[in-house]
Amino acid sequence: GAVVSQHPSRVICKSGTSVKIECRSLDFQATTMFWYRQFPKKSLMLMATSNEGSKATYEQGVEKDKFLINHASLTLSTLTVTSAHPEDSSFYICSAPSMAGHTEAFFGQGTRLTVV
Amino acid sequence: AQTVTQSQPEMSVQEAETVTLSCTYDTSENNYYLFWYKQPPSRQMILVIRQEAYKQQNATENRFSVNFQKAAKSFSLKISDSQLGDTAMYFCAFMNPRVSYQLTFGKGTKLSVIP
Repeated sequence: GAVVSQHPSRVICKSGTSVKIECRSLDFQATTMFWYRQFPKKSLMLMATSNEGSKATYEQGVEKDKFLINHASLTLSTLTVTSAHPEDSSFYICSAPSMAGHTEAFFGQGTRLTVV
Repeated sequence: AQTVTQSQPEMSVQEAETVTLSCTYDTSENNYYLFWYKQPPSRQMILVIRQEAYKQQNATENRFSVNFQKAAKSFSLKISDSQLGDTAMYFCAFMNPRVSYQLTFGKGTKLSVIP
């Protein structure tokens, strides 16, 4: 089946620094990718839709200047958490719909971000 | 906007027994897809089963089956012959193909399989 690879799986950074998370579709092209945030013992909340070659679409309440999304190619989307603060600590997951009718989503392994 | 409701935050089942997880949703769409995803402690999201709204037949995947009631907007998951490896969070999800195929998730049900 299709594989989505997310990197890094864990990252610890200092407050005020920026962190980049990569999401790659390994064996298929993804014109659209989704970024989710998951708090402990909670559900996945959609942050934004990443569109290849155009600007990302952010959900209400998500700061686009804080969570920069770039979808520069058909296989790579990146999420950069800028000027990170402890409240940004969370689990971030990307997903990409399958090419065949887009009726199945494949998920990356997730990234646990800890801001100290 | 779509909403997905899972009313059971936690459930437990004895190994080899059967358990049913509930999910209801609200939408004005006629064409959509419903999913159950499993999230084990590794936190990797794993697709368990998928149902197309236009299909009346309930989807099955080995020990997993759904009871899809379109009029009632209900989509429950039945796990038969529960195994220890079934212990995980289970999320019900709704996909509207008219909205970039994005998923809307329920809050999840934590299932524990007891040996």
